[in-house]
Amino acid sequence: RKEVEQDPGPFNVPEGATVAFNCTYSNSASQSFFWYRQDCRKEPKLLMSVYSSGNEDGRFTAQLNRASQYISLLIRDSKLSDSATYLCVVNEYTGNQFYFGTGTSLTVIP
Amino acid sequence: DTGVSQDPRHKITKRGQNVTFRCDPISEHNRLYWYRQTLGQGPEFLTYFQNEAQLEKSRLLSDRFSAERPKGSFSTLEIQRTEQGDSAMYLCASSPGVGAGGAEQYFGPGTRLTVT
Repeated sequence: RKEVEQDPGPFNVPEGATVAFNCTYSNSASQSFFWYRQDCRKEPKLLMSVYSSGNEDGRFTAQLNRASQYISLLIRDSKLSDSATYLCVVNEYTGNQFYFGTGTSLTVIP
Repeated sequence: DTGVSQDPRHKITKRGQNVTFRCDPISEHNRLYWYRQTLGQGPEFLTYFQNEAQLEKSRLLSDRFSAERPKGSFSTLEIQRTEQGDSAMYLCASSPGVGAGGAEQYFGPGTRLTVT
């Protein structure tokens, strides 16, 4: 079983739509959670950390559900520039390994 | 530019040759990570340094791979006797390691390796 699993998509949504991605993780001892964005042939860039209480940054909202072992990312009012692959990342503090999902591809259509 | 830098950006080599990549992290970051990424996959953890100490190595890292961070600043990743399966993007990331946001990693642009 993979440590982190994501639906690879692709998600094709019109501009202005709301889209949500989920990601599940297998280790209940995981400590830190992140969403990264990766554009084609570029390096991943940190989008946001995910806190236990949930957090929001502009049009982006991240949630953590420890009981069900998943994190989510909600993007409101999608822009063309949101088109990218979104990577879910989980850190098991004791091992300090970071596990990346395979990514979810998003295309925002005009 | 005060971000993470990697050199070279591209490397083409023949099977069996050795290659070495360099990573310069953000200067005040004490943690440094190496990852490998192939098409359609997320980055795969290879190894991790806290200052100059290599604290973690992936089980997937064969003995042909070695990494160093001799003075706790830049790091090198060497692949000996390269194989075609080593073709990938090699990414370096650094993080502060302490304080709020200590685990947040910032990536370099990567080194794309092609083994022919």
